[in-house]
Amino acid sequence: TQLLKQSPQFLSIQEGENLTVYCNSSSVFSSLQWYRQEPGEGPVLLVTVVTGGEVKKLKRLTFQFGDARKDSSLHITAAQPGDTGLYLCAGGSNTGKLIFGQGTTLQVKP
Amino acid sequence: DAGITQSPRHKVTETGTPVTLRCHQTENHRYMYWYRQDPGHGLRLIHYSYGVKDTDKGEVSDGYSVSRSKTEDFLLTLESATSSQTSVYFCAAGVVGEGNQPQHFGDGTRLSIL
Repeated sequence: TQLLKQSPQFLSIQEGENLTVYCNSSSVFSSLQWYRQEPGEGPVLLVTVVTGGEVKKLKRLTFQFGDARKDSSLHITAAQPGDTGLYLCAGGSNTGKLIFGQGTTLQVKP
Repeated sequence: DAGITQSPRHKVTETGTPVTLRCHQTENHRYMYWYRQDPGHGLRLIHYSYGVKDTDKGEVSDGYSVSRSKTEDFLLTLESATSSQTSVYFCAAGVVGEGNQPQHFGDGTRLSIL
């Protein structure tokens, strides 16, 4: 059974601080996706990484896929209150299924 | 926006009753999915479909069935609802290719089984 562990589960920080969320597994994934979810809404895709070692940037967000394609990280620089939400990582395989981590709830206080 | 619409958005029902949740997509995606979301568990796959009348089980499929008679519609049925099936249910549709499976989600159905 493939499992994805996210850490930390909860994070409360002040505006302007930096943070990193980790997503780890003992399994290899063909892709790794990051989603952000706000209360009462469905998850929204932020990025997909498919190559080991790949780094993608989305404004203040930096996503990295591990060399062995077993882990990933999301780094936010100078967090803002608008970044508050639930962040989910999901590993993909060629079966068409995604395996989701438990999620990281981020609160950014003004 | 992949045009995923879920109905109903909220439902309260009693233990033992059948419940059907509907998902409709407008983007002609081949793959569609049903997940449940519970605190501490993230999203767990219930069933998914890779084409009309082609479905397969996910990790938490017991007590649930699905049907897909048209590309745009994917139904999730709880044959006899139990309190453990109280959850928020999300439908998703996506493009599946070599190592790349972005999924677009609906806004969820909050289901309470009393």
